[in-house]
Amino acid sequence: AQKVTQAQTEISVVEKEDVTLDCVYETRDTTYYLFWYKQPPSGELVFLIRRNSFDEQNEISGRYSWNFQKSTSSFNFTITASQVVDSAVYFCALNTGANSKLTFGKGITLSVRP
Amino acid sequence: DAGVTQSPTHLIKTRGQQVTLRCSPKSGHDTVSWYQQALGQGPQFIFQYYEEEERQRGNFPDRFSGHQFPNYSSELNVNALLLGDSALYLCASSSAQGLAYNEQFFGPGTRLTVL
Repeated sequence: AQKVTQAQTEISVVEKEDVTLDCVYETRDTTYYLFWYKQPPSGELVFLIRRNSFDEQNEISGRYSWNFQKSTSSFNFTITASQVVDSAVYFCALNTGANSKLTFGKGITLSVRP
Repeated sequence: DAGVTQSPTHLIKTRGQQVTLRCSPKSGHDTVSWYQQALGQGPQFIFQYYEEEERQRGNFPDRFSGHQFPNYSSELNVNALLLGDSALYLCASSSAQGLAYNEQFFGPGTRLTVL
């Protein structure tokens, strides 16, 4: 069985601060994929980033970056220079193959204050 | 290029009633998954349809059923509604072709309230 834990429930920062969202996952599969989604108040889940279990290279994409560590089963997501528009609920998710179901964490509510 | 669309946006039903939610996948996608998101929780997988058949199912009772049509659109049916069925129902589409770790594109959801 798969499990995703997002221990942080709510984070509040002031605009332009950097913020890191934590994610810990559990799976017995050796091949798996990790995702971060953003859910603004409108409700639609917006895909942000994806990483597969074979690639631990950490990357930066604009203001987003992620730190994937298999040794600690963590997939943390960082927003640099946060903006008010980043305020949303952020979900970490896991799946173990093509078209397989996504297992989500409970989400982290991020509030960015001006 | 239209994304995933869902209808209706909001729905209010009473206990014991039946409801049908609809989803049209993103152009070029052939797989539809349904998720239930209770307030303050992450989405929970209900089931997935591909080639008009249910391919995977989560831990949901038989009151939850679905269908996929030849044009890949899908319906989610819930019978004998309970108060606990109140949630945001999300549809996600993806493609069985291409990258193994394909991305699931989500629709805006249908907010179901059961009174």
